[in-house]
Amino acid sequence: GIQVEQSPPDLILQEGANSTLRCNFSDSVNNLQWFHQNPWGQLINLFYIPSGTKQNGRLSATTVATERYSLLYISSSQTTDSGVYFCAAFSGGYQKVTFGTGTKLQVIP
Amino acid sequence: ETGVTQTPRHLVMGMTNKKSLKCEQHLGHNAMYWYKQSAKKPLELMFVYNFKEQTENNSVPSRFSPECPNSSHLFLHLHTLQPEDSALYLCASSQDRTLTWGIYFGEGSWLTVV
Repeated sequence: GIQVEQSPPDLILQEGANSTLRCNFSDSVNNLQWFHQNPWGQLINLFYIPSGTKQNGRLSATTVATERYSLLYISSSQTTDSGVYFCAAFSGGYQKVTFGTGTKLQVIP
Repeated sequence: ETGVTQTPRHLVMGMTNKKSLKCEQHLGHNAMYWYKQSAKKPLELMFVYNFKEQTENNSVPSRFSPECPNSSHLFLHLHTLQPEDSALYLCASSQDRTLTWGIYFGEGSWLTVV
């Protein structure tokens, strides 16, 4: 099956800094979704982005499907951005969802 | 997001107990899912329901018993669990199994088996 790798696995940022998280997938995907898992466990939907670029406030995402990667940009990071960021790739006819291993982000004051 | 709600948020149960996790979605979706997230492991898909019918069971032990009475509600009945079943259980929903518009998760239920 498809492999989804995320980098870096861990990231510590000073509040106010910018960061880029990467998601690589091993085969063609139909769609891709980014999530933020907060410290209480909730997976919050950030972007549904099969291709192109989307922005939502301080967050933006870009997926280049032909090159099999997606990027999540966090600008002016805040402590509330801490948590684990997952990308999920959708593939196959009856779409199989494959989650990446996540990037654990800690934003310190 | 409050489109998918799960109760209880935290549950501690003994190995001989019977308990249930409940999930309700308010998004008008037709497909619902149970996922398990253990420490240091990726999310594991457990069950999939589409229009109330179970379409996928990923070799889940029979001590986990799902129930989907309608497209808006999903239960996970738990009995004679093991300590290794302690994990975060996440419910999710999507418009349908094609996932054309993505998948949406609830807040999760933290389960501890003692």
